[in-house]
Order: sequence, then structure tokens, then C-alpha cells
Amino acid sequence: EAGVAQSPRYKIIEKRQSVAFWCNPISGHATLYWYQQILGQGPKLLIQFQNNGVVDDSQLPKDRFSAERLKGVDSTLKIQPAKLEDSAVYLCASSLEWQGANEKLFFGSGTQLSVL
Amino acid sequence: GENVEQHPSTLSVQEGDSAVIKCTYSDSASNYFPWYKQELGKGPQLIIDIRSNVGEKKDQRIAVTLNKTAKHFSLHITETQPEDSAVYFCAASTDPGGGADGLTFGKGTHLIIQP
Repeated sequence: EAGVAQSPRYKIIEKRQSVAFWCNPISGHATLYWYQQILGQGPKLLIQFQNNGVVDDSQLPKDRFSAERLKGVDSTLKIQPAKLEDSAVYLCASSLEWQGANEKLFFGSGTQLSVL
Repeated sequence: GENVEQHPSTLSVQEGDSAVIKCTYSDSASNYFPWYKQELGKGPQLIIDIRSNVGEKKDQRIAVTLNKTAKHFSLHITETQPEDSAVYFCAASTDPGGGADGLTFGKGTHLIIQP
């Protein structure tokens, strides 16, 4: 079974530039999550989708971050404009089920973003 | 919101010895507690989880214990091997359905297995 695919693996940009990350979840997984992992810390949830609808975006900095999952499969996360403090690894995860005992997260390898 | 504290931040043990990592949580409504292993350059991988109606769960060399009264849970790894070296994260969720919605992670423990 193929895992969660993310691209690019690395991205270096200057502050105030824009950047986009792409995620393809495990086939058949309806729930998709974007997490931000700052160096030395645990992942922090940014946004959660159930199919193409947003379940939780309470921790997404909406003035600069946006995410979409138009057809309920792939998702993109965008930052515009980027700040120095956005330097982190952006992890995508998916789960077959939502809000039940079988909701288990499978993570991709992440995109490492450096903002200079 | 939920706050998860994890200790120690770094743990070094001799190969073959046991390792224990401890976490505490603040929200008594939390009822799902997964543990993840993260190797360098990879995403976190679920290794074991426990729900609040269970006090202990074991999977080969890995076990997790939960004390809901004290609001803490622990990961135990026995007979450690070099491939156990990684960063381990605990997490907690208040999802009323017992799922993984809104997971709050600890800051991680860097486990080093000395040969």
C-alpha cells in the first residue's frame, strides 16, 4: 500500500514570498490533516478535512495560510506572504475513518521549509 | 485547551536495557493516547495507542500504561535495539468518539541506544 505522498521535500524562500505544498493521501482515506512541526517540537494541527469539507481550522493563521482539497483527494497548503517564523516541516497525514476508534493517522515525510 | 508534557527530552540507554518515557496531560476529557516514532527525515509513525477504557496495552517489546486518575501515560520499550533509536512523541485527543481529532503532541523524547 502506497503511503502519503508529499512534495516538494525541501523548499527555501525569502520572507514575503509565497509557497505551496502538495499532498496525496493514501487511497481511500477520507480524512486529511496538515500539521506544522517546528524544530524540537511536536507537530501542531493546522487544518483537518473530511472529504473536501473543513472540519477544524481553528489553529490556521488565516491571514497568510490557506488550504484546499477540492475533489476530496489531493490537497494543497499555501503560505502568502511567508515570515521567518514559518520555517518548519509541514506534515500531511490521512486517516481512513473520522471520529471513531479506527481514526488513525498515517503521516507523509513532510516538506521542510526554510524562510530566509 | 489540552497541554501535554513529555519527559525526558533525551534518554540514553544501553542496548538490551529498558526505556521508559512519561507524559502528563491536562484535560480530563482526553480519551485517546497514541505514541509515534519519528526517524530522521521521516514523518511520525504510529507505534501503539491506548484508549481510556484500558489501563495497559502491549505489543511485543512495546507497552503503554495509562493512569486516568493521575492524568499520565507512559511508553515502555524492553530489550532495546539499535533500530529503536529515534524521537518518540506522545499525544492526546479529546475526540468524544475516541478518535484522533485535534491531537495535541508532546515535545518529543530523543531515545539513543548505546551499543
